[in-house]
Amino acid sequence: AQKVTQAQTEISVVEKEDVTLDCVYETRDTTYYLFWYKQPPSGELVFLIRRNSFDEQNEISGRYSWNFQKSTSSFNFTITASQVVDSAVYFCALSERWGTGTASKLTFGTGTRLQVTL
Amino acid sequence: GAGVSQSPSNKVTEKGKDVELRCDPISGHTALYWYRQSLGQGLEFLIYFQGNSAPDKSGLPSDRFSAERTGGSVSTLTIQRTQQEDSAVYLCASSLQGPYGYTFGSGTRLTVV
Repeated sequence: AQKVTQAQTEISVVEKEDVTLDCVYETRDTTYYLFWYKQPPSGELVFLIRRNSFDEQNEISGRYSWNFQKSTSSFNFTITASQVVDSAVYFCALSERWGTGTASKLTFGTGTRLQVTL
Repeated sequence: GAGVSQSPSNKVTEKGKDVELRCDPISGHTALYWYRQSLGQGLEFLIYFQGNSAPDKSGLPSDRFSAERTGGSVSTLTIQRTQQEDSAVYLCASSLQGPYGYTFGSGTRLTVV
């Protein structure tokens, strides 16, 4: 069975600090996708990134960066120079195996609540 | 539409009543999903629809829960004889066929009193 673990339930930082959100996953599939979503106080989940299991290159998008390491089954998310607007719950997710013509069911972690204060 | 639309945004119901939650996915998205998010919890998968295939109902918590998707578009999640533990935010998402990220709606906050 697939499983996603986000051990950090809540993190508080002061603005401009860097913060890393951890994500560890379990799967028997050799082909899979990993995702990060942001859920701000408004409640709507916002897609941030998708990474496939064959691409271990780190990715950077502005202040956001992702570190994918298959050896440790981790897909960690770092926010550099955090801002108050980054305050949200962040979810890591893993796709289940799919086939031609099928959809992809995501298994979500329990989320990490990030609070950024001035 | 431009995004996934859910209605109502909030629903308060008495224990034992039936409720219907509606989801209107993004046009052209063949896959539609229902998840439930209880207070302070992660997202619990309920059901998904993919085109004309039989839906995957493996996440429905009891036979009080059912869902249908008409014409490959709008979906309705029905909860019969609601219980207090059904109180949660019910999220709908849609996606293209394949391993793509979902686009989520804003959710329906259900409160059973």
